[in-house]
Amino acid sequence: AQSVTQLDSHVSVSEGTPVLLRCNYSSSYSPSLFWYVQHPNKGLQLLLKYTSAATLVKGINGFEAEFKKSETSFHLTKPSAHMSDAAEYFCVVILDDKIIFGKGTRLHILP
Amino acid sequence: GAVVSQHPSWVICKSGTSVKIECRSLDFQATTMFWYRQFPKQSLMLMATSNEGSKATYEQGVEKDKFLINHASLTLSTLTVTSAHPEDSSFYICSARKVAITGELFFGEGSRLTVL
Repeated sequence: AQSVTQLDSHVSVSEGTPVLLRCNYSSSYSPSLFWYVQHPNKGLQLLLKYTSAATLVKGINGFEAEFKKSETSFHLTKPSAHMSDAAEYFCVVILDDKIIFGKGTRLHILP
Repeated sequence: GAVVSQHPSWVICKSGTSVKIECRSLDFQATTMFWYRQFPKQSLMLMATSNEGSKATYEQGVEKDKFLINHASLTLSTLTVTSAHPEDSSFYICSARKVAITGELFFGEGSRLTVL
């Protein structure tokens, strides 16, 4: 069965320091992978997606993610956190027609 | 990028009344739309998958007579919460896929329902 695991429910980093939000998936073959961001009382906004092209994917707002098939991971990174990055982040896997959401990671930015 | 509009953003209603939430794809045609419910500090819970011109497919545990979904055109799906009760208060979000399937989902801004 397919699944998505976001290893951290909360991550706190200081402004200006790197961000790492972890996502692992379980699938017998390569799915489509996405990261979405949700600010309070808002819908979800697409940050980036992997769909079997380049394994290093660049997204909006300086975010990147690297697809590592051997590790079944798709971790989200950003070199330098900004206060406006404080939000909830969801890793999403789409395989065939099945859409699977991770439980989300709340990113806190410390001044 | 594609735009999905959800309306209303906020709605307050009395217990026992019905509320309709609209989800529109503004610049693309969506054969499939999805409706989610999100409880505070939790992930999205898929309620139903809505295909244009056919009946919605509901997830286990979701009452189809309670949450009526209509997908009458390629750009509009509606969710009607019938005879709403306070426990129906939640954040409801829709998403849509383009006709040319890339797998990518585009989300509405969400609708906050409060039932008094």
